[in-house]
Amino acid sequence: NAGVTQTPKFQVLKTGQSMTLQCAQDMNHEYMSWYRQDPGMGLRLIHYSVGAGITDQGEVPNGYNVSRSTTEDFPLRLLSAAPSQTSVYFCASSRGLAGISNEQFFGPGTRLTVL
Amino acid sequence: AQTVTQSQPEMSVQEAETVTLSCTYDTSESDYYLFWYKQPPSRQMILVIRQEAYKQQNATENRFSVNFQKAAKSFSLKISDSQLGDAAMYFCAYSKGSSNTGKLIFGQGTTLQVKP
Repeated sequence: NAGVTQTPKFQVLKTGQSMTLQCAQDMNHEYMSWYRQDPGMGLRLIHYSVGAGITDQGEVPNGYNVSRSTTEDFPLRLLSAAPSQTSVYFCASSRGLAGISNEQFFGPGTRLTVL
Repeated sequence: AQTVTQSQPEMSVQEAETVTLSCTYDTSESDYYLFWYKQPPSRQMILVIRQEAYKQQNATENRFSVNFQKAAKSFSLKISDSQLGDAAMYFCAYSKGSSNTGKLIFGQGTTLQVKP
């Protein structure tokens, strides 16, 4: 199993450009999430999905779109990048069974810089 | 809303010594999980230890153990016999248990330095 994979690992954008961060998992996990990590603030939830076709907003959703057409993939779209979106982005997945610990498996992260 | 607070931005420990990282949280839920994640310079998030709120016994994983004080809403991580490879940023995290959406709420992180 490759686990959770993310592409690209690094990206530099200019203000106003758009791009998609890719995330895929091969563990047949129902739940997938996107977090951003900023210095001194830990990781904050952007969007999450509890299954194919179902997404919802997290703590910091503004400026980001998501969709989930398959169980395996959960791309994050920046429609018009802003310098405030400079961050490290993590994708995570977890099993969707009630009554067990919600251990999340994380991808390696994408470092995004918006100039 | 649930919150997680790590009040120690940086900690240091001598190799082979013991160090404790602090974490407090706030929730009105009775069913939840707590985690400690390690993030080395590689940036990869690694689960160190987890605690179910309904369990009174403190979780232990080799050199890592927790002191879970439910009434005080405290969840500290103790690292015994510290090794150079333990140097990393450590995050405390909370997850609601009943809804099980897999959403984690993280603390701000503590950077641990291990001195040889």
